[in-house]
Amino acid sequence: EPEVTQTPSHQVTQMGQEVILRCVPISNHLYFYWYRQILGQKVEFLVSFYNNEISEKSEIFDDQFSVERPDGSNFTLKIRSTKLEDSAMYFCASSSQGMNTEAFFGQGTRLTVV
Amino acid sequence: TQLLEQSPQFLSIQEGENLTVYCNSSSVFSSLQWYRQEPGEGPVLLVTVVTGGEVKKLKRLTFQFGDARKDSSLHITAAQPGDTGLYLCAGEGGGSNYKLTFGKGTLLTVNP
Repeated sequence: EPEVTQTPSHQVTQMGQEVILRCVPISNHLYFYWYRQILGQKVEFLVSFYNNEISEKSEIFDDQFSVERPDGSNFTLKIRSTKLEDSAMYFCASSSQGMNTEAFFGQGTRLTVV
Repeated sequence: TQLLEQSPQFLSIQEGENLTVYCNSSSVFSSLQWYRQEPGEGPVLLVTVVTGGEVKKLKRLTFQFGDARKDSSLHITAAQPGDTGLYLCAGEGGGSNYKLTFGKGTLLTVNP
């Protein structure tokens, strides 16, 4: 069964460092998303991406964040200068269509900023 | 801002019992998805409901979307220990807004 894969599964980084989280969405999907979940809190939307551009972003997704689809298969989330409060599980998701379609999530990357 | 409230937050029952968890909002959603999440893993999609009043069944799980598309329920019949997990509802806003708004979840424990 097709699945969304994310690497790494765990990432520990020092405050101020840049991190790149990687995702391989399901191959025939066209819409891509990043969500995050701080420990004990609900899953929160960060950004959606379609046709090689951001279609929507949340207030959380400030100038420290960027997304890219560099090669037609990978979908990356970059955090330029990490802060302690960026520590969370980051989930990539993809869907074949936009509205009313099912979003499939990856296993997540646990980011710990120390 | 669209919000989804799930209740109860925690539910502990004995094997064989039936249960219902609720997902409520004051906002209308174009669709609503139910996920199950295990600790340290990503949400796994169970079902998507789109039409107001729609009922979908997945083995012992029955999902219903409210007529006004503002609420949903998940009913589990004859719960089993394997049903233990965090159940999340997530609503899609509609229009060009494809993002999902998640509830905080219901943590279900089914004791043998």
